[in-house]
Amino acid sequence: GAGVSQSPRYKVAKRGQDVALRCDPISGHVSLFWYQQALGQGPEFLTYFQNEAQLDKSGLPSDRFFAERPEGSVSTLKIQRTQQEDSAVYLCASSSKDGGGWTQYFGPGTRLLVL
Amino acid sequence: EDQVTQSPEALRLQEGESSSLNCSYTVSGLRGLFWYRQDPGKGPEFLFTLYSAGEEKEKERLKATLTKKESFLHITAPKPEDSATYLCAVQGAGGGSNYKLTFGKGTLLTVNP
Repeated sequence: GAGVSQSPRYKVAKRGQDVALRCDPISGHVSLFWYQQALGQGPEFLTYFQNEAQLDKSGLPSDRFFAERPEGSVSTLKIQRTQQEDSAVYLCASSSKDGGGWTQYFGPGTRLLVL
Repeated sequence: EDQVTQSPEALRLQEGESSSLNCSYTVSGLRGLFWYRQDPGKGPEFLFTLYSAGEEKEKERLKATLTKKESFLHITAPKPEDSATYLCAVQGAGGGSNYKLTFGKGTLLTVNP
C-alpha cells in the first residue's frame, strides 16, 4: 500500500494484559514516530526512530511502554501490564527524511481500550 | 517547551459561509508549522507545511498563512464534506526536539448544508 498501515485497528485488553501494536511505515521512510491521542485531544509524542535506532523515547509515559524497530522498517509498540489510563488511540507516522521540517504521514491508528 | 493553542475549539458554519481557524504557537526556532485534517476514527491527514513568516499555501477551499506568532487556516465557501477536526502542529529546533510534532487540541468544524 501507499500509506502507513497499523494493526490491529482495535484492541480490547483486560487490565494487566500485555499488548503489541504494529506499524508498517511508507516504504523507504527513514523516520518513524509513535504518538498517543486521548479523546478530544491532539496527538502527543511518544518516541522516534531513525532507521533502527531509537533516538528519543522521552514521551513514553512509563517503563511499561517499549518500542522497537529492529530492521529499520516495521515497528512495534508494546505496553506491558496495561492500565485503564493507557486507553487511547496510538498513531504511527513516518517521514522520508531525518531532522526537522519534513512532513510526517500518519496511519489510521490503533484504538486501545483497557477494561 | 513548544506550545500550540487552537481557537475556537468548535465552529459551526453554514455551507458557503467563509471563516478562519486560528493557531497560536510558541516555539524555540520554528522548523515547520503543519496543518492536518482528522476525520472521526481516522488518522490525521496532511494538508500544509509552512516554514517561514509570510508564507501562504492553498488547496481547493483552504488557505494557510503564517506569522511569527500564529497561523490561520482560511476556509472559503465551505461544503459539508469539509466537516472535520483541523489540527495544527509545530516542529521546533530547540532542546533536541527538532523532529517531534507538538499539536494543539484541534478545532472541530461542522458545515451544515
